[in-house]
Amino acid sequence: NAGVTQTPKFQVLKTGQSMTLQCAQDMNHNSMYWYRQDPGMGLRLIYYSASEGTTDKGEVPNGYNVSRLNKREFSLRLESAAPSQTSVYFCASSEGTGTTYEQYFGPGTRLTVT
Amino acid sequence: AQSVTQPDIHITVSEGASLELRCNYSYGATPYLFWYVQSPGQGLQLLLKYFSGDTLVQGIKGFEAEFKRSQSSFNLRKPSVHWSDAAEYFCAVTVYGGSQGNLIFGKGTKLSVKP
Repeated sequence: NAGVTQTPKFQVLKTGQSMTLQCAQDMNHNSMYWYRQDPGMGLRLIYYSASEGTTDKGEVPNGYNVSRLNKREFSLRLESAAPSQTSVYFCASSEGTGTTYEQYFGPGTRLTVT
Repeated sequence: AQSVTQPDIHITVSEGASLELRCNYSYGATPYLFWYVQSPGQGLQLLLKYFSGDTLVQGIKGFEAEFKRSQSSFNLRKPSVHWSDAAEYFCAVTVYGGSQGNLIFGKGTKLSVKP
């Protein structure tokens, strides 16, 4: 099992460019999440998908869109990148039902917007 | 709204010394509590979790945490720190019956270990 995988690992964008961050999980989890991590801020939820076919906004959704492509894959798109979106982005997944809320995290994508 | 506070931004301990990382949460109902560890350049790994029952929970890598409802705390402890424990530690909370997105993280405590 690879767990949660993310591509790319690193990316540099110019202001105004667009890109999509990819995330996939092989644990048959129902729920998936995108977080951003900034120094001194901990992790903040951008969007999540409780189950295939549904997505919801988290704490900091502005400037992002997501697609739950299928049960395995959950992508994050920046339509017009801004320097404020320079961050480390983590994807996570969880079973999503019952009493367990344990989330499993990918290795992260380090994004720099110049 | 629920929140998590980790009062210590950075802690340095000597190898072999004991460790306690503090976490306080703010929420009226019964929370689900977690501690995650992040090694440099890595994703987050779950150390332990508390859902209910015994308030002292054991985790991986020799860590334990104690839930104290009266103090709204969930402090992480380890009796003897190893150099490989140097990392950043995050406390997180979610609430029973909450939506799947309701995992709230503290800002983290960075642990340095002196030889």
